Amino acid sequence: AQKVTQAQTEISVVEKEDVTLDCVYETRDTTYYLFWYKQPPSGELVFLIRRNSFDEQNEISGRYSWNFQKSTSSFNFTITASQVVDSAVYFCALSENTGGFKTIFGAGTRLFVKA
Amino acid sequence: GAGVSQSPSNKVTEKGKDVELRCDPISGHTALYWYRQSLGQGLEFLIYFQGNSAPDKSGLPSDRFSAERTGGSVSTLTIQRTQQEDSAVYLCASSLTLAGRDTQYFGPGTRLTVL
Repeated sequence: AQKVTQAQTEISVVEKEDVTLDCVYETRDTTYYLFWYKQPPSGELVFLIRRNSFDEQNEISGRYSWNFQKSTSSFNFTITASQVVDSAVYFCALSENTGGFKTIFGAGTRLFVKA
Repeated sequence: GAGVSQSPSNKVTEKGKDVELRCDPISGHTALYWYRQSLGQGLEFLIYFQGNSAPDKSGLPSDRFSAERTGGSVSTLTIQRTQQEDSAVYLCASSLTLAGRDTQYFGPGTRLTVL
């Protein structure tokens, strides 16, 4: 069975600090997809990134970077020089090749960035 | 193009009344998903559609919940005889196909409050 664990329930940082949100997953599939979403206070989940299991290259997009390591079944998300606007709940999700209806979301990590 | 839209954005109803929540997916997306998010919680999967068909209704919390999709586009989630525990944000998402690789894009949600 697949599982996504976001062990950090809440993280609080001061603006300009770097912060890493952890995501550990379990799956028996060799082909799978990992996602990160951001849910700001407005409530809408915003898609951030998708990685497939065959692409372990780390990715950087502005202040955001993702570290995918199959050896530890982790897909961690780092925000560099955090800003108040980064305050949100962040969800990690796993989808197996079987289909999107098998997508499992982690419990989410609430990030507070203080000015 | 336009994203996923949902209406109403907020719904307050009295216990025992029926409510209908509407989701308009991204044009051309064949897969549609409904989730429920209780206050401060993660996402609870309810039901998915491939075209107009919903192959698995087992995620619906009770037989008071039903959903349909017509014309491969708009979907309606109906809750009959609402109870206070139905209070939550109901999120709809759509993806190009049902494949696990296809990103789910979320609407802004409908916040349901049952008094």
